[in-house]
Amino acid sequence: DQQVKQNSPSLSVQEGRISILNCDYTNSMFDYFLWYKKYPAEGPTFLISISSIKDKNEDGRFTVFLNKSAKHLSLHIVPSQPGDSAVYFCAASEESYKYIFGTGTRLKVLA
Amino acid sequence: EAGVAQSPRYKIIEKRQSVAFWCNPISGHATLYWYQQILGQGPKLLIQFQNNGVVDDSQLPKDRFSAERLKGVDSTLKIQPAKLEDSAVYLCASSSWLARGGNEQFFGPGTRLTVL
Repeated sequence: DQQVKQNSPSLSVQEGRISILNCDYTNSMFDYFLWYKKYPAEGPTFLISISSIKDKNEDGRFTVFLNKSAKHLSLHIVPSQPGDSAVYFCAASEESYKYIFGTGTRLKVLA
Repeated sequence: EAGVAQSPRYKIIEKRQSVAFWCNPISGHATLYWYQQILGQGPKLLIQFQNNGVVDDSQLPKDRFSAERLKGVDSTLKIQPAKLEDSAVYLCASSSWLARGGNEQFFGPGTRLTVL
């Protein structure tokens, strides 16, 4: 039973445009969400997080939106740059501190 | 600040053999995690240490996997005997306290294990 789902395995976007990566979850007890970015042959690196008490968190070009009623979060990257090309994972946790990761979306930003 | 170190980076073994992975977390980080990432999937937590105590090992296949964290610093993850389905990248991560409220986990580069 996959509690965190990223239904789009890949996404291609033109440089300068907006990239939107989506994540759905099933466990209504999840109260903290993170996005990680992963380059080949490297470990994931933290990108941005959001608590369930918020519906938006912004950090530079990166914004995460949370829709609790739909159990959906999204990561917006504006403007997209070629260096953003990577695999993006969303992760969710509840009080147990254990994070459940999605399967990832491979973003390719075309120059 | 030095990152999370892991070794080896790559390992190829035959099924039923044993293998061990080593992780050195960021200095001062009390919490250490081992994840298994199978191709096409997200990282799955195997075990979580707080200092040298186990916080969560509910998804660790204890009949073949074992892990320890000596003196609350370095950690080793062992598989004995390995099966074909153990082929994956094994990621180690650390955080300065129980990763909560957005306190990020810092990941190492991982060890890619291939079981033939």
